[in-house]
Amino acid sequence: DQQVKQNSPSLSVQEGRISILNCDYTNSMFDYFLWYKKYPAEGPTFLISISSIKDKNEDGRFTVFLNKSAKHLSLHIVPSQPGDSAVYFCAATSNNAGNMLTFGGGTRLMVKP
Amino acid sequence: DAGITQSPRYKITETGRQVTLMCHQTWSHSYMFWYRQDLGHGLRLIYYSAAADITDKGEVPDGYVVSRSKTENFPLTLESATRSQTSVYFCASSDSGDEQYFGPGTRLTVT
Repeated sequence: DQQVKQNSPSLSVQEGRISILNCDYTNSMFDYFLWYKKYPAEGPTFLISISSIKDKNEDGRFTVFLNKSAKHLSLHIVPSQPGDSAVYFCAATSNNAGNMLTFGGGTRLMVKP
Repeated sequence: DAGITQSPRYKITETGRQVTLMCHQTWSHSYMFWYRQDLGHGLRLIYYSAAADITDKGEVPDGYVVSRSKTENFPLTLESATRSQTSVYFCASSDSGDEQYFGPGTRLTVT
């Protein structure tokens, strides 16, 4: 059973608008969450993370929100740019996981010019 | 070059053959990981290693073997390749933090 789920396989957004990518998790032991971005023929690259002691973390155009009670996190990209078109993976880990990450299935974001 | 590299980048092999995918990192990171990426499944952990000579199974270890005789290398071997092992394989490394750094991937096709 998937412990981290990204229920939208794809998302299309107009350039300049907001992109919202969602992620749900089931394991209440998860206490650290990460987003990775992946371009075709490349490995995933780290984008932004959030600890469970926070409910928001912002880095430039990227903001991650965490709702622990709902076991839900989201990545907001504002404004969206064509270069943001990629697959985004949500990942989660816990303090006793030995640096292991559990990944969601990914969401393909397409930003149209 | 510094970083994490994988070789080969592309590989075609036949069912039943043994194939080894190589992973090398120059950061002296303690942890190294092997994932496979399949449509609809995201990244699934095959094996990981916390240090040289320490390895452990991940979510999907069947059919794979790993070793870690040196900190910088973490080869993944498919002892007898099957078509279900056709996938894109990613190696990653990390140090004490949770962020993992990924290699460029190896696309493996088993015919």
